[in-house]
Amino acid sequence: EVQLVESGGGLVQPGGSLRLSCTGSGFTFSSYEMSWVRQAPGKGLEWISYISYSGIIISYADSVKGRFTISRDNAKNSLFLHMNSLTVEDTAVYYCAGDVSGDPTSWGQGTLVTVSS
Amino acid sequence: NFMLTQPHSVSESPGKTVTISCTRISGNIASNYVQWHQQRPGSAPTTVIYEDNQRPSGVPDRFSGSVDSSSNSASLTISGLKTEDEAVYFCQSYDSSHNWVFGGGTKLTVL
Repeated sequence: EVQLVESGGGLVQPGGSLRLSCTGSGFTFSSYEMSWVRQAPGKGLEWISYISYSGIIISYADSVKGRFTISRDNAKNSLFLHMNSLTVEDTAVYYCAGDVSGDPTSWGQGTLVTVSS
Repeated sequence: NFMLTQPHSVSESPGKTVTISCTRISGNIASNYVQWHQQRPGSAPTTVIYEDNQRPSGVPDRFSGSVDSSSNSASLTISGLKTEDEAVYFCQSYDSSHNWVFGGGTKLTVL
């Protein structure tokens, strides 16, 4: 069974930084394209970043470009999101999600990031 | 880039059939696969339809997906509605740069 588990969320002050992690199990992590998706309180889903299975291709939503960095360590079945210069608008539940051709998207349970003074 | 537009809410009675639309604004709906994700209150999303019309194992065959190029839209149809189907449903597709694009979500009420 495919499992994705996020960690690293918490309370951070505006302007601060945080690193989220997502660990996969039950599947060949290195074959999956991975993304981060967030959901602000009471709002819809917002895609924020993508990384190819090899880590070579990376993209970001305009809302986080230049502030967030996605990376992965296939040897450790792990995905990361480094978040800098956080603002209150970044307050959300952050989900990691994995894709491989021919299979449905797999989602983690989410980790809450609260940016507040 | 493009947008995906969904109705804000739909409601139907138990046992009936409901169809949720997802219209692509700019570009061809058939250019990239469409997924449908279900999100129950307080829970993470789960995928109920992938690659336009494929159903993951464990998802009842009451759920089906389709794409219509003439209306440039995708649809999620749920037949034999159950109260447990109450959720927000998000359509999602990709652009040419692997970026995901979500619709705004449709709240389904089964009453």
